[in-house]
Amino acid sequence: KAGVTQTPRYLIKTRGQQVTLSCSPISGHRSVSWYQQTPGQGLQFLFEYFSETQRNKGNFPGRFSGRQFSNSRSEMNVSTLELGDSALYLCASSFLGTTTDTQYFGPGTRLTVL
Amino acid sequence: KQEVTQIPAALSVPEGENLVLNCSFTDSAIYNLQWFRQDPGKGLTSLLLIQSSQREQTSGRLNASLDKSSGRSTLYIAASQPGDSATYLCAVRIQGAQKLVFGQGTRLTINP
Repeated sequence: KAGVTQTPRYLIKTRGQQVTLSCSPISGHRSVSWYQQTPGQGLQFLFEYFSETQRNKGNFPGRFSGRQFSNSRSEMNVSTLELGDSALYLCASSFLGTTTDTQYFGPGTRLTVL
Repeated sequence: KQEVTQIPAALSVPEGENLVLNCSFTDSAIYNLQWFRQDPGKGLTSLLLIQSSQREQTSGRLNASLDKSSGRSTLYIAASQPGDSATYLCAVRIQGAQKLVFGQGTRLTINP
């Protein structure tokens, strides 16, 4: 069974631009979560989607948004990029996103904002 | 607010040693605790998941324990190998929220 895939793996953008990241979960998984990882703040939760609905959201500004499609693939969008948005963005999938589910992470998208 | 702490931040040991990594959390109202491994520049690999009702889980050379009442978990690695070198992260799933709260990780180096 293929793992979680994320595209692209690397991105370089300039301040003020916007970016869209994509995540394909493990086949059969319906829950997708997004995390931001930076050296200073570590791993922080962005949001979680289940059956095309956002179920939970972390403490990030409205510039960060996401969506999930009917095939469970998810996209994350960041508008008006700032230097501090440079990070590794990880998505994780689980079967139902219940409290007993194991979350499986993808390899991440490394975003650099210049 | 749940806070997860991992000590030490870095650890270097010779190959073959048994070692313990520590994780503590401030709020015992958790659903489960998960240990991950992260290689440089890569994503996270799930190692062990311990439900709140469990005391420990084992997988190969790895054993994780959970003491919810004291807010502590340990990851025991037996007979360490250079391939075990990575950053190890623990994360708790807190009640009332579908998210993981992570520690800052322990960077482990196994010297041949």
